[in-house]
Amino acid sequence: AQKVTQAQTEISVVEKEDVTLDCVYETRDTTYYLFWYKQPPSGELVFLIRRNSFDEQNEISGRYSWNFQKSTSSFNFTITASQVVDSAVYFCALLLMDSSYKLIFGSGTRLLVRP
Amino acid sequence: NAGVTQTPKFRILKIGQSMTLQCAQDMNHNYMYWYRQDPGMGLKLIYYSVGAGITDKGEVPNGYNVSRSTTEDFPLRLELAAPSQTSVYFCASSPEGGRSSYNSPLHFGNGTRLTVT
Repeated sequence: AQKVTQAQTEISVVEKEDVTLDCVYETRDTTYYLFWYKQPPSGELVFLIRRNSFDEQNEISGRYSWNFQKSTSSFNFTITASQVVDSAVYFCALLLMDSSYKLIFGSGTRLLVRP
Repeated sequence: NAGVTQTPKFRILKIGQSMTLQCAQDMNHNYMYWYRQDPGMGLKLIYYSVGAGITDKGEVPNGYNVSRSTTEDFPLRLELAAPSQTSVYFCASSPEGGRSSYNSPLHFGNGTRLTVT
């Protein structure tokens, strides 16, 4: 099966707290790509990061960081010193490496950052 | 570049009515996709197209039809609207389905919010 699981339905934190959003994936492919998207209250989907299966280096972009571990099939996303503007739904997605190149999405994690 | 443009932004339909959701992209992308997002859920693939004249079903195609007569346009048709089709619909496009598409994410439109009552 090829699927993405985001077990955390909703997380609520107070501003300035660190928060980690979990993503676990399943795929039979040896080459694959994983993505994170942000969906703010306005509804659009904003691309955050892409990671390929050959690159297990962690990535940091400002307050955002991603931890990719093939051994546990996880691609977790951490926001450091969260801000109210981080409140959104966050989706993890897996790119299918067949001729369709479809994205399979997790069910999303709603993050609420309270002032 | 306008990117991916979806129209309308909002629509209310009565049960049994039909409508077409429009999607156009100006990036010359071959790959286009229609997803639906039900409240509190992730996105599920309805249909996709790998080029003009080629379409295929995704995970939840029942109740929908698509066509791809040009590279730019990928309309989604609902023939007999049902309350279960109340959702937000996202169209997306992607460059060639080779390594270049791995380096570029799907480009999403801003969505069409559809309510069927």
